[in-house]
Order: sequence, then structure tokens, then C-alpha cells
Amino acid sequence: NAGVMQNPRHLVRRRGQEARLRCSPMKGHSHVYWYRQLPEEGLKFMVYLQKENIIDESGMPKERFSAEFPKEGPSILRIQQVVRGDSAAYFCASSQQEYNQPQHFGDGTRLSIL
Amino acid sequence: RKEVEQDPGPFNVPEGATVAFNCTYSNSASQSFFWYRQDCRKEPKLLMSVYSSGNEDGRFTAQLNRASQYISLLIRDSKLSDSATYLCVVEATGGGADGLTFGKGTHLIIQP
Repeated sequence: NAGVMQNPRHLVRRRGQEARLRCSPMKGHSHVYWYRQLPEEGLKFMVYLQKENIIDESGMPKERFSAEFPKEGPSILRIQQVVRGDSAAYFCASSQQEYNQPQHFGDGTRLSIL
Repeated sequence: RKEVEQDPGPFNVPEGATVAFNCTYSNSASQSFFWYRQDCRKEPKLLMSVYSSGNEDGRFTAQLNRASQYISLLIRDSKLSDSATYLCVVEATGGGADGLTFGKGTHLIIQP
């Protein structure tokens, strides 16, 4: 039973390019969460999605960042026109239900902006 | 006041010793609490949930004190492999799901 799968593991982009991070939740999980971990910082919530719906995006920067979780396929976190400050580890987690269920994390995608 | 606060450490502890650390949270309506373990540059992994009655899993014991709004983690007979960062995690309740709120973690180093 595969866990949460994220790819790529490492992503290098130049300033101004686009970054696409993918996350496939655990089998049977329909709730997906994205977190960002900046160097020397704790994990920060970005967005919570269910299939085809964004439930809570209160942690997403207002510009350049978007997320989707289509009916088919993985969840995608998209960062347009990346800047140096976007360099971080981006973790995806999934759960079966919304509350009182621990989230299972993927290995993360480490984004480096040159 | 930060939502979830932990002493960042590092805690340097000799192998075999007992170590404990706390985490305080500010949202009194929080309902779910967890301890996650994160190794260097790896993803967080669930260590244990924290129940109102407290719970124990082998050498690890977690406690919840709602009145004082803190949770604790006790590790007995510490092993070298326990060296990691321990993240205190609190889940918000009611109306919207903003996911989990993570503390910045307590760095534990077990020394031989």
C-alpha cells in the first residue's frame, strides 16, 4: 500500500520560471493538504483540498500560487514566476477524513530557485 | 503569543536517560493533538496521537493538560536512534479545516 507520493523529490528552477509539484494521496484518502517548510521554520499550512474543491486556501500567498485536485490524477501545487524566497521544502499530506485523523506525509519536494 | 510553541532545544541527552519536553498551544478549542517526528531533511512522521487520558507506546508517553493548554512527550531509556526533531501538532476545530498547526519542533540529540 503506497504512501503519499510526491514528485519530483528535487526541483531546480530559475527566477521567473514556473514550478509544478505533484502529490498523489494514499489509497482511499480524499483529503489533501499542502505545507511549506522554509529553512529554520516550522511547517506552515498552505491549502486544503478535496476532489475538485479547494476547501481552505487561507495559507496560500495571494499571488503566483495555485493548487488543484482534479477528479482524476494527482493534486498539483503550481508556483508561477518563482522567486528566491520560494525556495523551501513543500510537503503534501493526505487523510481519510477531515477531523481527528492524523495526516500522512509524502517525502516532500525540495524546490531550489537559482 | 504563537499558536503552538515549543522549546527548540537542542536537548543533549545521554543514551539511556529519560527526557521530556512540552508544547503549549493557544487555541483553547483545539481538539486533536499529535506528536510527529522529523529526521533531518525528511518528511514528518506520526509518532503518536495524544488523548485526553494520556497514552503510552513503548518507551514513549504523551500527556495532555487542557487546563494549562500543553501537551508533553516523555521518552524513557533513550536510544541513539531517537535523535530527531519532535514536532508538536494541534488541530483546529469547527468551521473550516485549516489543517494542522505545527510547532517549530524540539531538536533532540542522544549522545553515546
